[in-house]
Parts: sequence; structure tokens; C-alpha cells
Amino acid sequence: EPEVTQTPSHQVTQMGQEVILRCVPISNHLYFYWYRQILGQKVEFLVSFYNNEISEKSEIFDDQFSVERPDGSNFTLKIRSTKLEDSAMYFCASRRQVGAWETQYFGPGTRLLVL
Amino acid sequence: GENVEQHPSTLSVQEGDSAVIKCTYSDSASNYFPWYKQELGKRPQLIIDIRSNVGEKKDQRIAVTLNKTAKHFSLHITETQPEDSAVYFCAASKSGGGADGLTFGKGTHLIIQP
Repeated sequence: EPEVTQTPSHQVTQMGQEVILRCVPISNHLYFYWYRQILGQKVEFLVSFYNNEISEKSEIFDDQFSVERPDGSNFTLKIRSTKLEDSAMYFCASRRQVGAWETQYFGPGTRLLVL
Repeated sequence: GENVEQHPSTLSVQEGDSAVIKCTYSDSASNYFPWYKQELGKRPQLIIDIRSNVGEKKDQRIAVTLNKTAKHFSLHITETQPEDSAVYFCAASKSGGGADGLTFGKGTHLIIQP
């Protein structure tokens, strides 16, 4: 069964550095998402992406964040200047759109630690 | 925006007993309510979902009920087993053509006592 994949599984960076988190959504999916989960807390929506543009973003997704689909398979999240509070697990998700109410499938996550 | 409240935060039940987790949502336009199970260090995995045009859905030992009037939905697990131990998250979204993200509850840590 196809799955969403993410790389790297873990990333450690210094405060102020740029990081790029990578995701490969399921191949026939059209909608892509990024979520984050701070340790011990709930999963929080960051951004959704469709047809090569952002569809929706939360207030967490400020100017430090950007997303891109650089080719036909990858979907990336860039954090320009990381802060300590960006330390979290970042999940990519994707879904098809055959009709309404399609399931979002989550990747395994990238654990980001900002020192 | 949408706000999802989830209770309880921790639930401990004896193996074989039933478990019930409850969520409320605030946005009456929300129409899609999935439940995800997350084991320690792993990705959230969908276990069941319900659309706003139905009141109940069942899949083997798992069932979900939805009360649109009260803006309330619940997860019911019967005949609990040790492998049911995990954190369960409810979520809500306004699906239906758009690309709306899921708003999650804070999660319920379900512990199955042998």
C-alpha cells in the first residue's frame, strides 16, 4: 500500500539556521498538508497546498515558513530562521480528491530539534 | 476558527471493557470528523471517520457517533485489547471540495489494563 514518506527522520539545527523538510506524497494525491506536533501536545495544522499554491494557512504559518513543490513528487517545508520554539515533530499529509471528504494520510514525521 | 475539545485526557480501562472518548466542536460548518490513533513516536493513523450526513458509523469493534445539533461526536471501542493502548485524536474540518486542514483535539491517552 502506498505511503507518504518524509526525510530526514530527525534533524538537529542551530537557532537561526534554515531547514528544509521533505515529503513525498502518495503519487495520485492532489492536496498536500503540513502539520506540527510539539512534544506531548496535539497535532496543529500549518498549511495546505493545491494546484501549486497555498490553499489555506494557520496563524502559526508566518513569514518564516514557506512551502514548495519543486518537482512532480516532492513537497517541501522551509523554515528560514529557526527558533527554539520550532522544535517539534513535523508531519506531511496528502489526500486525493475524487469527491468530498477524502482521508488525509500522514507521513512518519521529521523530528526537528533547534538548539 | 474551529476549536475542538476532547475528553478525557487519560482513560484507563480493563481489557475487555469498553472505552468512550468524547469531542465537541465549535464551527457548525464543519462536516468531516476523523479519528486518528497515534502510537508512541509514530504517525497518526486514521481508524474511522464520519461525515455530517450520517449519525453513526461502525467498523468491527470501533464506532463513532455524531450529534450535529449539539456539535458533539464520540468514539466507542468495545472489547478493548492491549494493542488498543495509544493516544487517540479527534479532528474536524470543513471538507467538501476545499483544502481545509484538520483541527485536532488535544488527544486521549487510552491505557488498557491487563
